[in-house]
Amino acid sequence: SAVISQKPSRDICQRGTSLTIQCQVDSQVTMMFWYRQQPRQSLTLIATANQGSEATYESGFVIDKFPISRPNLTFSTLTVSNMSPEDSSIYLCSVEARDRGTDTQYFGPGTRLTVL
Amino acid sequence: GENVEQHPSTLSVQEGDSAVIKCTYSDSASNYFPWYKQELGKRPQLIIDIRSNVGEKKDQRIAVTLNKTAKHFSLHITETQPEDSAVYFCAAAGGGADGLTFGKGTHLIIQP
Repeated sequence: SAVISQKPSRDICQRGTSLTIQCQVDSQVTMMFWYRQQPRQSLTLIATANQGSEATYESGFVIDKFPISRPNLTFSTLTVSNMSPEDSSIYLCSVEARDRGTDTQYFGPGTRLTVL
Repeated sequence: GENVEQHPSTLSVQEGDSAVIKCTYSDSASNYFPWYKQELGKRPQLIIDIRSNVGEKKDQRIAVTLNKTAKHFSLHITETQPEDSAVYFCAAAGGGADGLTFGKGTHLIIQP
């Protein structure tokens, strides 16, 4: 498996501001993803972070609101832009890593965002 | 896109009994079906997964079955213990390069 860390672990932000969340993996991985988990809800895929090219966004998510960087195979950032209270969620990165011969997705610890 | 339905939303069982959680998916191209356990305040943890070339997979007290024709898969937990109490999510994906589509989750409560 992979060891994944995220920064910050939590933050409280004012509406209209932006927050950048970092995701670091202890080994090189091809696939990295960003998910959102709203309070007491399931996880929703925001985008796939592609190394060396633009992220691939899911329906309902746009680059202007959630710009993503992937400068190398161990690191990615997600920015939540022009925040509103509806953006209050847990944001999780995940990576696909090889475990016992199969590709499996593992999740980071998440960033708990509260927008006032 | 893929749509995953999960039932029940809440499941309460007596300690020692079995628990079954069921999911259906819509995209016949999906071929990877993981199950995650999420305890309060923690990240989702993979507990078992199955791929479409396999009908059943077991790991100690946990098993997953897959019916590709009917497009449904199930999680079975036997001899439940208090530490099994958590929210369980099923998910589906089309292959190694795909992100996951999750079900809405099942809150499993183990009654002592």
